[in-house]
Amino acid sequence: NAGVTQTPKFQVLKTGQSMTLQCAQDMNHNSMYWYRQDPGMGLRLIYYSASEGTTDKGEVPNGYNVSRLNKREFSLRLESAAPSQTSVYFCASSESIAGGSNQPQHFGDGTRLSIL
Amino acid sequence: KNQVEQSPQSLIILEGKNCTLQCNYTVSPFSNLRWYKQDTGRGPVSLTIMTFSENTKSNGRYTATLDADTKQSSLHITASQLSDSASYICVVSVYQAGTALIFGKGTTLSVSS
Repeated sequence: NAGVTQTPKFQVLKTGQSMTLQCAQDMNHNSMYWYRQDPGMGLRLIYYSASEGTTDKGEVPNGYNVSRLNKREFSLRLESAAPSQTSVYFCASSESIAGGSNQPQHFGDGTRLSIL
Repeated sequence: KNQVEQSPQSLIILEGKNCTLQCNYTVSPFSNLRWYKQDTGRGPVSLTIMTFSENTKSNGRYTATLDADTKQSSLHITASQLSDSASYICVVSVYQAGTALIFGKGTTLSVSS
């Protein structure tokens, strides 16, 4: 099983460029999430989708947009990249929304993004 | 403010030895507590999830404990192996609509031969 697949694995952008990070899961999960992980900090939630057709802001949504394309796919878009967005981005999925449920989150292996 | 604090920040042990990682939290209302293992360059992988009523849960050589009264959890690793070298992340779930997972910064464990 592939689980959660993220593309690309690495990307270098110039300030002001745009790009979309792709995420797909094959576990038929309802909920999907985007996190960023920076040195010395815990994972921070950018956006999440509790179910197909819905999206909500997390802790650090500024500068990002998301699209829940279908049940399998959840993309993250940077419209005008800034150096502060240099980070490792993780996509995750779970059977139902994490928080009130005891369902584990399954993570992809991340996209390492550098913005010059 | 909801917070999760982990200690130590890093730890070095010899292969075969046991170790215990700590997690203290100030999260309310509490739903569950999770431990994840994150290998270098990989995404986190779930080890255990414990609810309020569970005191201990094991996953192979990993045993997590939870004291909901003192708001403390520990992850005990028995007979460590080189493959245990990783970051271990404590995550506490806030009981509310939507998602509210508070992530600790992790403990970096290095197991040497």
